[in-house]
Amino acid sequence: ETGVTQTPRHLVMGMTNKKSLKCEQHLGHNAMYWYKQSAKKPLELMFVYSLEERVENNSVPSRFSPECPNSSHLFLHLHTLQPEDSALYLCASSQLSKGLAGGHNEQFFGPGTRLTVL
Amino acid sequence: QKEVEQNSGPLSVPEGAIASLNCTYSDRGSQSFFWYRQYSGKSPELIMSIYSNGDKEDGRFTAQLNKASQYVSLLIRDSQPSDSATYLCAVNNAGKSTFGDGTTLTVKP
Repeated sequence: ETGVTQTPRHLVMGMTNKKSLKCEQHLGHNAMYWYKQSAKKPLELMFVYSLEERVENNSVPSRFSPECPNSSHLFLHLHTLQPEDSALYLCASSQLSKGLAGGHNEQFFGPGTRLTVL
Repeated sequence: QKEVEQNSGPLSVPEGAIASLNCTYSDRGSQSFFWYRQYSGKSPELIMSIYSNGDKEDGRFTAQLNKASQYVSLLIRDSQPSDSATYLCAVNNAGKSTFGDGTTLTVKP
């Protein structure tokens, strides 16, 4: 069983709805990530948080708003989404180390939230 | 040129054969290399990590790394139908991971 959990596992929402995705990691890691994976497409990195500070934002539309209240929890707030935002949203965590002597930065993924925007 | 390139699939092998998955990367400063397996509709699962040149074996899986050639591969021996999945190569430099597009492997009984 993965040390990264995500809720809900499935979500159907209309374009005018506001919803939030939740991710929790139980691995003691110091970094968390949001990825988007559309059908037949590669992983797209959306946001990275290291020590609760956003360190990367890959030109994601403002209708996606991340929040990282502590090192174990990560949220993705959604509002006025478009049908093309329908995808599998994956959360991951890792123990970041920039030195060779430290950890190796493996990322561990949660099960994902399958989002459908109508 | 993509930062991480994987051999285009899909790759199909018969049960019991060796499946060979290849990955090249452009960042010479990369330090850590990973292979993930992703079943359809599921999230990626880490199956191999390699950090130094040479081979690393874990059961039926062998990862090979050649930093001079900027090349990393995954060999799956005695392939089983349960190995049918998409395999993602990931390359890490100073905490930043870049994923390849993935290679879909089908093992036919």
